[in-house]
Amino acid sequence: GAGVSQTPSNKVTEKGKYVELRCDPISGHTALYWYRQSLGQGPEFLIYFQGTGAADDSGLPNDRFFAVRPEGSVSTLKIQRTERGDSAVYLCASSRAGRDTEAFFGQGTRLTVV
Amino acid sequence: KQEVTQIPAALSVPEGENLVLNCSFTDSAIYNLQWFRQDPGKGLTSLLLIQSSQREQTSGRLNASLDKSSGRSTLYIAASQPGDSATYLCAARMYSGGGADGLTFGKGTHLIIQP
Repeated sequence: GAGVSQTPSNKVTEKGKYVELRCDPISGHTALYWYRQSLGQGPEFLIYFQGTGAADDSGLPNDRFFAVRPEGSVSTLKIQRTERGDSAVYLCASSRAGRDTEAFFGQGTRLTVV
Repeated sequence: KQEVTQIPAALSVPEGENLVLNCSFTDSAIYNLQWFRQDPGKGLTSLLLIQSSQREQTSGRLNASLDKSSGRSTLYIAASQPGDSATYLCAARMYSGGGADGLTFGKGTHLIIQP
C-alpha cells in the first residue's frame, strides 16, 4: 500500500482481556515506531524497531505491553490484562533508516477498555 | 529529558489571515524537527521536516523555521483557509540514544479558521 496501514481502526475490549494491534509499514521502510495518544495530548513514544529487533523499548509503560516484528515488516503491539487506563489511540509510524528521515504515520487504532 | 511545548494551545482566526504557531524544546541536541497536522479522529499527516543543519523549509503556504540555539521552531501559515482547521503538532528527534529514538511531541495547537 501507499501508506502506513493499521488494523483494526477501532477495538473495544473488556478489562482483563488480551488485545493485538497490527501495523503494516510503508514498503521499504526499515524503521517502525509505536506511539500512544491520549485525548488532548501529543503522541507518546512506546517502542522503536530497526528491522526485526526492538532497538529502543524504553517507552513501554510496563510488562503488560509487548511488540514484535518477526520479519522486519509487519509489527504487532500486544497488550495483556488490559486496564481502563490503556484506552487511547495507538499510532504506528515508519521511516527509512536513519534518524534524519521523515516519519509517516498510520490512521491509528482507537482502543477502548470497558 | 526533552520537553516540547506548543503555544498557543488553541487559536481561532478569520479566513485569509497569516498566522504563526510556536514550538519550543528544552534540549537543543536534536536531529530534526517535524511538523504534523492531525484532523479529528485521524492519524498524523507530515507537513514539513527540518534537519538540524537547516534554518527553514517551505511547502506551499507553509513555512517552518528552526533556531536550535534558542530551542524554537515556528510554523507560518499564509492566507489561511477553513480547510486549514486542524491540530498542529511539532515533534523533535533527539541526537543521542537512551530513549531518544522516537519523536518527542508537543501537545499541539488546535487551530480554527473561521469562514
